[in-house]
Amino acid sequence: KQEVTQIPAALSVPEGENLVLNCSFTDSAIYNLQWFRQDPGKGLTSLLLIQSSQREQTSGRLNASLDKSSGRSTLYIAASQPGDSATYLCAVWKLTNQAGTALIFGKGTTLSVSS
Amino acid sequence: GAVVSQHPSRVICKSGTSVKIECRSLDFQATTMFWYRQFPKKSLMLMATSNEGSKATYEQGVEKDKFLINHASLTLSTLTVTSAHPEDSSFYICSARDNGGGTEAFFGQGTRLTVV
Repeated sequence: KQEVTQIPAALSVPEGENLVLNCSFTDSAIYNLQWFRQDPGKGLTSLLLIQSSQREQTSGRLNASLDKSSGRSTLYIAASQPGDSATYLCAVWKLTNQAGTALIFGKGTTLSVSS
Repeated sequence: GAVVSQHPSRVICKSGTSVKIECRSLDFQATTMFWYRQFPKKSLMLMATSNEGSKATYEQGVEKDKFLINHASLTLSTLTVTSAHPEDSSFYICSARDNGGGTEAFFGQGTRLTVV
């Protein structure tokens, strides 16, 4: 059974710091990995999608890496801003018996950036 | 990016009544949509996969008679919580994949259901 773990569960940093969020998964047989942002009481916003054949993706101040063999991904946020405060969720696309593929989520890292 | 619209964003209903939640892909077609449930401070739990034109496939432990899913078109899936009870109160989120665009998932805004 695929399990996704995110560390740390919560993180508080001052504005301007660079930070790393960690994600690990137990089964390396994944299709893709996706990072999301969730603001309180809201839906999910897709940040980055890393195909299983890729090792990293970049979008603005965000950089995500993927190491399938070790079952790990990191999300790097450069020069953090108060507007980055949110919960960041890591999810892997996994082949399921019932429905083909589906996203399996970690519990998220709640980030707070103070000004 | 692709847009998924979920409605309503909040609903309060009485125990025993049914509530319907809609999930629409606004600018793309989605053969497959997913319904998730999120408990406070917990990860999203996949409830079921909605397949256009056929029956939904449910994850283990999810009651298909309580959570009715209909995917009548390539842009609309609905989740109906039947005979709702307070323990059904939760945050429900739908997701869709663009038929023509790989495996990136796009999510609706979520629905906060409160059963009183």
